[in-house]
Amino acid sequence: DTGVSQNPRHKITKRGQNVTFRCDPISEHNRLYWYRQTLGQGPEFLTYFQNEAQLEKSRLLSDRFSAERPKGSFSTLEIQRTEQGDSAMYLCASSLGPPEAFFGQGTRLTVV
Amino acid sequence: GNSVTQMEGPVTLSEEAFLTINCTYTATGYPSLFWYVQYPGEGLQLLLKATKADDKGSNKGFEATYRKETTSFHLEKGSVQVSDSAVYFCALSDLRWGNDMRFGAGTRLTVKP
Repeated sequence: DTGVSQNPRHKITKRGQNVTFRCDPISEHNRLYWYRQTLGQGPEFLTYFQNEAQLEKSRLLSDRFSAERPKGSFSTLEIQRTEQGDSAMYLCASSLGPPEAFFGQGTRLTVV
Repeated sequence: GNSVTQMEGPVTLSEEAFLTINCTYTATGYPSLFWYVQYPGEGLQLLLKATKADDKGSNKGFEATYRKETTSFHLEKGSVQVSDSAVYFCALSDLRWGNDMRFGAGTRLTVKP
């Protein structure tokens, strides 16, 4: 399978715990994006990497959120001290260049 | 800033009916426009795209034409199938204003046999 891969697919955590999600982009795609999607809404941009450099961050990405892309391959998104409002689908996308992006199946986070 | 407005759903059609899902956009430049489809429990799949005015994107019987004069990118299909039941998202991307893609809220389509 050469698509964007995200793990885990589902995560249930207690409020206050830290969680980390992983995204493996399509091989050779140098651009990687994280989005958040809440129920009944379209995805909202969180952050963007070109290779290993994090070039853009949305205001939605509070200081509890951090993303990395070491070596410009896979990426991780960590949420510290989770809150119930963090419950959402976290989507990763990659591209070789503009304009379109190819999305993974997402990680659904439930904070209880 | 750039934004996308989609026709509110849900939309329920009978099999073989004609589908239109309206999408209009606001952009100060010349964005690229997209339709993505999301099946239950899945991520988004690119359905079609258009990168400049008057371009027509098409795929799997779906079509959308980039209309600059009306700032629209309506999705159409002549004869829907039960398997088309999903949520459809209109989106735009304008690299001059950042690397993010802006999405509409989505329109849920249910096709009944």
